[in-house]
Amino acid sequence: GIQVEQSPPDLILQEGANSTLRCNFSDSVNNLQWFHQNPWGQLINLFYIPSGTKQNGRLSATTVATERYSLLYISSSQTTDSGVYFCATRDSNYQLIWGAGTKLIIKP
Amino acid sequence: DTAVSQTPKYLVTQMGNDKSIKCEQNLGHDTMYWYKQDSKKFLKIMFSYNNKELIINETVPNRFSPKSPDKAHLNLHINSLELGDSAVYFCASSQEATGIRGYTFGSGTRLTVV
Repeated sequence: GIQVEQSPPDLILQEGANSTLRCNFSDSVNNLQWFHQNPWGQLINLFYIPSGTKQNGRLSATTVATERYSLLYISSSQTTDSGVYFCATRDSNYQLIWGAGTKLIIKP
Repeated sequence: DTAVSQTPKYLVTQMGNDKSIKCEQNLGHDTMYWYKQDSKKFLKIMFSYNNKELIINETVPNRFSPKSPDKAHLNLHINSLELGDSAVYFCASSQEATGIRGYTFGSGTRLTVV
């Protein structure tokens, strides 16, 4: 089955810094999603990004499907950006296969 | 109004008991899901339910059974609870099975089996 790997596993940054999170996948995918889980456990779907680039405020995502990776950029980090960021892709049964996540801590 | 609501938020129970977790979505979505998140934050699909079609992750023990009385509800019933079932269980929904329009998650149910 498809394997999804995320890096780095942990990231600690000062408020205001920029960050790049990476997601590699083992096979061709046509559905790539990014999620944020806040410190209270709530999961939010950030992007559906099978290819190309999307931006939403300080967050943007780029997927290069031919090279099997996706990047999530966070600019001017705020403490509210802390949490775990997951990428996930869909298998042939339309079920999401998740990466292990990148735990991001933004220090004030 | 909460889009995807799960109850209860916390559940502590003894080994061997049977318990249910309820999930309701008011988004008019066609597809609903149950996910399990373990202590290492790893998320794993358990079930998806779309237009009366149930897709089961083959690794899920048959002690777990989803029940959908209608399109807006997907409840999770667990028989003979084991210590290893302790986890956070998330219900989610999407407008259609492809998830192109995104997913909406409930706030999770933290199950502790003692």
